[in-house]
Amino acid sequence: DQQVKQNSPSLSVQEGRISILNCDYTNSMFDYFLWYKKYPAEGPTFLISISSIKDKNEDGRFTVFLNKSAKHLSLHIVPSQPGDSAVYFCAASAPTGNQFYFGTGTSLTVIP
Amino acid sequence: DAGITQSPRHKVTETGTPVTLRCHQTENHRYMYWYRQDPGHGLRLIHYSYGVKDTDKGEVSDGYSVSRSKTEDFLLTLESATSSQTSVYFCAIRRPSGERYFGPGTRLTVT
Repeated sequence: DQQVKQNSPSLSVQEGRISILNCDYTNSMFDYFLWYKKYPAEGPTFLISISSIKDKNEDGRFTVFLNKSAKHLSLHIVPSQPGDSAVYFCAASAPTGNQFYFGTGTSLTVIP
Repeated sequence: DAGITQSPRHKVTETGTPVTLRCHQTENHRYMYWYRQDPGHGLRLIHYSYGVKDTDKGEVSDGYSVSRSKTEDFLLTLESATSSQTSVYFCAIRRPSGERYFGPGTRLTVT
């Protein structure tokens, strides 16, 4: 049973506009959330994270928002650039255990 | 850069044959992980290690075994490969800040 879900398999955005990628989770014990970016034929690379004590974390063009009551997080990319075209995975972990649970990924295409 | 290499990068093998994938890291990280990536499933944990000779199962461990005789090497073995094990396999280490740092992956095809 998928504990972390990304319901949009793909997303297309014009260059310069905002990209919003969404992720939902079911386990209320999750307290640490991350986003990874993956290019074809490469391993995923860490992008940004957020702990459950915060509701927002920014790093340059990337901002992650966490809504604990809705069990929802989102990644905003502003402005979107063609180099942002990749598959984005969200992941979550609980304070006990040693496992990250990944979503199925959203393929972002930024159109020049 | 955590310096993770995986070998081989690509492999085609036949059903029923044993296969071993190797992960090598250069920075003495304690925790190492093996994941598989499949369409519609994202990344799923197979096994992980928290030290030399200390390993534990992940969510999809059936059909796989692992060994870690040195800090820098973590081996994943498919004792008798099946077509359902055709996948892309990623090794990862855990950074001090908690996130996983992934290797480049091994594409395995079982025919």
